[in-house]
Amino acid sequence: GQSLEQPSEVTAVEGAIVQINCTYQTSGFYGLSWYQQHDGGAPTFLSYNGLDGLEETGRFSSFLSRSDSYGYLLLQELQMKDSASYFCAVPPLYNTNAGKSTFGDGTTLTVKP
Amino acid sequence: GAGVSQSPSNKVTEKGKDVELRCDPISGHTALYWYRQSLGQGLEFLIYFQGNSAPDKSGLPSDRFSAERTGGSVSTLTIQRTQQEDSAVYLCASSFRTSGTSYNEQFFGPGTRLTVL
Repeated sequence: GQSLEQPSEVTAVEGAIVQINCTYQTSGFYGLSWYQQHDGGAPTFLSYNGLDGLEETGRFSSFLSRSDSYGYLLLQELQMKDSASYFCAVPPLYNTNAGKSTFGDGTTLTVKP
Repeated sequence: GAGVSQSPSNKVTEKGKDVELRCDPISGHTALYWYRQSLGQGLEFLIYFQGNSAPDKSGLPSDRFSAERTGGSVSTLTIQRTQQEDSAVYLCASSFRTSGTSYNEQFFGPGTRLTVL
């Protein structure tokens, strides 16, 4: 089976840096993705790590360590609009008929002034 | 269309009734996914379509749930004899699905909030 664990809630202040961790246990693994979901909205893709190391996209960075079955999403220069839920996910196995992405339960980030 | 659309946005039904939820994916996306999200929870995979066929139905929770996709485009998720535990937000996503190990970002629709009374 597959399972991902991430903290349920994180609070930080505007302008700060916050790290959301994700540990996973999966049978078959290609990489780790991150999605953002504002309250009542649709999840939107943020980043994907197919290889170990850091991927940077503007204020957001994501990291993966396969040896530790661990990844994180790093948000810098926090803004109020970053208040949302963040999900890590293991995508479906490629070159197969599998369709299942396994998502964590999400981390609710609250950014305070 | 510009994005994934779903209808209705909200559906309230009585226990025991059947409901149909519709998803219109992004044009050209061959892969289509249905998920269910309960309040404060992650996304629970239901079914995956590649074209009109569903090679992975492993997430459907019971035989009351079924889905079809026609013309490689629109998909309908049907829940028969709804139960209160079916209440959730049903999300649809579409993507390209290519071979190899490149990641195919999923584009999500706004969801249908289903309430079973």
